Formats: sequence, structure tokens, C-alpha cells
Amino acid sequence: RKEVEQDPGPFNVPEGATVAFNCTYSNSASQSFFWYRQDCRKEPKLLMSVYSSGNEDGRFTAQLNRASQYISLLIRDSKLSDSATYLCVVNIDRGSTLGRLYFGRGTQLTVWP
Amino acid sequence: ETGVTQTPRHLVMGMTNKKSLKCEQHLGHNAMYWYKQSAKKPLELMFVYNFKEQTENNSVPSRFSPECPNSSHLFLHLHTLQPEDSALYLCASSLRSGTTDTQYFGPGTRLTVL
Repeated sequence: RKEVEQDPGPFNVPEGATVAFNCTYSNSASQSFFWYRQDCRKEPKLLMSVYSSGNEDGRFTAQLNRASQYISLLIRDSKLSDSATYLCVVNIDRGSTLGRLYFGRGTQLTVWP
Repeated sequence: ETGVTQTPRHLVMGMTNKKSLKCEQHLGHNAMYWYKQSAKKPLELMFVYNFKEQTENNSVPSRFSPECPNSSHLFLHLHTLQPEDSALYLCASSLRSGTTDTQYFGPGTRLTVL
């Protein structure tokens, strides 16, 4: 079973739409959670961390449900520039000082005019 | 803009060649990473270095040989690769390894093995 599962999409939405991505993780020892964004043929970049109480950064809202081991990202008022692949990322504590990141396959979003 | 640079950006090599990928970070970080990104697959962690010491080898074949001479530089030496090794190789760095510190990625080297 994969550590992090995401719907690969693609999601194709018009400008101004609201779109939500979901992600599940399998390891209950997961400690911290992130969404990264990767533009076509570019490197991944941190979009936002995900906190237990949920957090918002402008048009982006991230939610975490530890009981269900589920993470979500909501994008409101989509812009053309939001077109990218969104990677769900989980940091898993393996009982040592060396946790590591596990990446989902990514969800591809295309926003059209 | 990025504080992590990688060279070359593109590399084509035959299965008998030997080549090296280079990564340099200008962020004052102490941890560096090599990742492999293949089409339609998630990023796979290959190696982790913390203060120049290798702290993780994620069951990577010996035809990939990392080297970390100091906290700012990381190399990946390649020899006798296979076509299935064709992928985007990404270097990343963070202040510390094994923590929630943000990892910053370089632009990657797109490798094609013929």
C-alpha cells in the first residue's frame, strides 16, 4: 500500500471555480503534512503546511483529519496561474531522529479561461 | 531565484558511460537529498546527507553513487545505467534532516539513458 494516495486527476476547471483535492495517508505515525506545487517541467515548491486545526493562505485552505488520515486542499476563485500539479506530502516519524518525506503522485489541475 | 542549483539540466548518456550530476545550495542548510521523479510516479527519495554524512540510502542500486564533500555540495555519480533509470533527478536541501523543515528543490537534471 502506498504511503500517500492522491487522485491524479486531471481536474479541468474554469477561472473563478472552486476546486478541492483530497489525499489519504496510510501511516498513523505521520507527523507533519504539506502541499507542494509543481509546475510543468519545474521543481516542486512548498505551497503550504497543513495544521491540525486547518489553515488558510489567501485563496487556499488546507484541512487535516487525523482520525481518517485524510488531507485536503481547497482552492477558491481559481486563476489561470493555479494550473500545476499539487503534491500531497507527509513526514513520517520512523522512531529515530530521521523522519522523511513521502510524496503522493500529485493531482494535475488545469484552469481554463 | 532558487537557492539550489543543479548541473547539467539535461543529460543523455549511453549505458556504458560514466557521468556525474552536481548540486549546490546557497541557503546555509545542513541536509541535502537526492530524489528521482519518473513519469506518473511519485518522487522517490534516494539518499539523505546530514552534515556531510550519509544518513539514508533508500535501497538504491550501486550504479548510483552519491558524494557529499561539504554541506553545500552534493554529487550523484552514474555508471552503467539502464534505460529505466531515465527520469528527472532532483536535489533538495533543508536546514536539518528528519524534521519538518521545508525542503527546497533544485530545478533538476533530466536524464535520458539510451
